[in-house]
Amino acid sequence: GAVVSQHPSWVICKSGTSVKIECRSLDFQATTMFWYRQFPKQSLMLMATSNEGSKATYEQGVEKDKFLINHASLTLSTLTVTSAHPEDSSFYICSAREGGTGGEETQYFGPGTRLLVL
Amino acid sequence: TQLLEQSPQFLSIQEGENLTVYCNSSSVFSSLQWYRQEPGEGPVLLVTVVTGGEVKKLKRLTFQFGDARKDSSLHITAAQPGDTGLYLCAGDRTGGFKTIFGAGTRLFVKA
Repeated sequence: GAVVSQHPSWVICKSGTSVKIECRSLDFQATTMFWYRQFPKQSLMLMATSNEGSKATYEQGVEKDKFLINHASLTLSTLTVTSAHPEDSSFYICSAREGGTGGEETQYFGPGTRLLVL
Repeated sequence: TQLLEQSPQFLSIQEGENLTVYCNSSSVFSSLQWYRQEPGEGPVLLVTVVTGGEVKKLKRLTFQFGDARKDSSLHITAAQPGDTGLYLCAGDRTGGFKTIFGAGTRLFVKA
């Protein structure tokens, strides 16, 4: 199957700093990537949809100035958590959608980035 | 409002037992996926079902898509400790663009 990578896999930062997370589709082109946030023992919460060459679409309640998304190429999307605070600590997961045949829309997930803000 | 209701939320069973996880909705989905996620990792796709009534098997796992494409089930036969994890169902609605996730079923298989 298709491979999606994330970097870094974990990061610890001080409150007030900004953190950038990269999401790459390694063996396919992804016109659309998704960013999710997951709290312990909970399901995935969609934060935003990232489209190559255009502005991201944010879900209700997600601050676009807080979580900056850039999708500069068909294989790379970045999420920047600006002025991070302890409540931003979470597991951030990206996914990339690969078009299929017969109506299937396959979404492949990255391994996630664990962020801890002190 | 949870568009995809998953049940049970948590399941602890002995090795060798069978189990079924359900994913229900009042909405129609063009496709539905099942993922398995281990702690500290991203979800891994197990299967995608597209056709109403479709049944897919993956070793000891059997996936079924409801005839009306509103529900799905995952049945595991003779569960093993390696099956432990968070199982997520996710659906794509016809005409929609976002994938909708269920709340997940956390499975623990005791040796």
